[in-house]
Amino acid sequence: QQQVKQSPQSLIVQKGGIPIINCAYENTAFDYFPWYQQFPGKGPALLIAIRPDVSEKKEGRFTISFNKSAKQFSLHIMDSQPGDSATYFCAASMKTSYDKVIFGPGTSLSVIP
Amino acid sequence: DVKVTQSSRYLVKRTGEKVFLECVQDMDHENMFWYRQDPGLGLRLIYFSYDVKMKEKGDIPEGYSVSREKKERFSLILESASTNQTSMYLCASSSNQVGSNEKLFFGSGTQLSVL
Repeated sequence: QQQVKQSPQSLIVQKGGIPIINCAYENTAFDYFPWYQQFPGKGPALLIAIRPDVSEKKEGRFTISFNKSAKQFSLHIMDSQPGDSATYFCAASMKTSYDKVIFGPGTSLSVIP
Repeated sequence: DVKVTQSSRYLVKRTGEKVFLECVQDMDHENMFWYRQDPGLGLRLIYFSYDVKMKEKGDIPEGYSVSREKKERFSLILESASTNQTSMYLCASSSNQVGSNEKLFFGSGTQLSVL
């Protein structure tokens, strides 16, 4: 019930493409869903986050779509660039302990020129 | 900007050695965490601390202990390193302030190899 599933494990897209990373959860007590981005040799950094009271959140080229009934959410990267090549982790947490975060296994994204 | 500093980027130890991983944050954050990152498994929480001298077990505490003697410093200890503890270790911190407590700030990680 604490698990967050994520797919695909890896993804290769051409520059300008729209990579999509999908995540799913079981525990309906989760109420905060962040995405972290990790570049090689660096720690993860918060990219964008959503709460279940909205179905979409957009920040620049990054968009989260959220489907509460299906318990699924996804990250879309518009007009992807080689600089977006990184590992992306979806995650979930609860109001009672926002900083105790459950991470998905990660998606390695490569954007080729 | 918040800075979370981990003392070593790479570490090689032998089986049975006692290993200390150090982490320091400079933003006066109350909360500190140790995760390990393994391919295909994501980040798993080992231990966390909400206050000085306070510690709580995470999801995979076996074989590890922690120490938090000062607010800014959180140490992870492997009492007797084993090969299955070869991994990337990430320290993180967060604030207790409402509206800020959801965001984790990570260090760059320590890649530990146990031979």
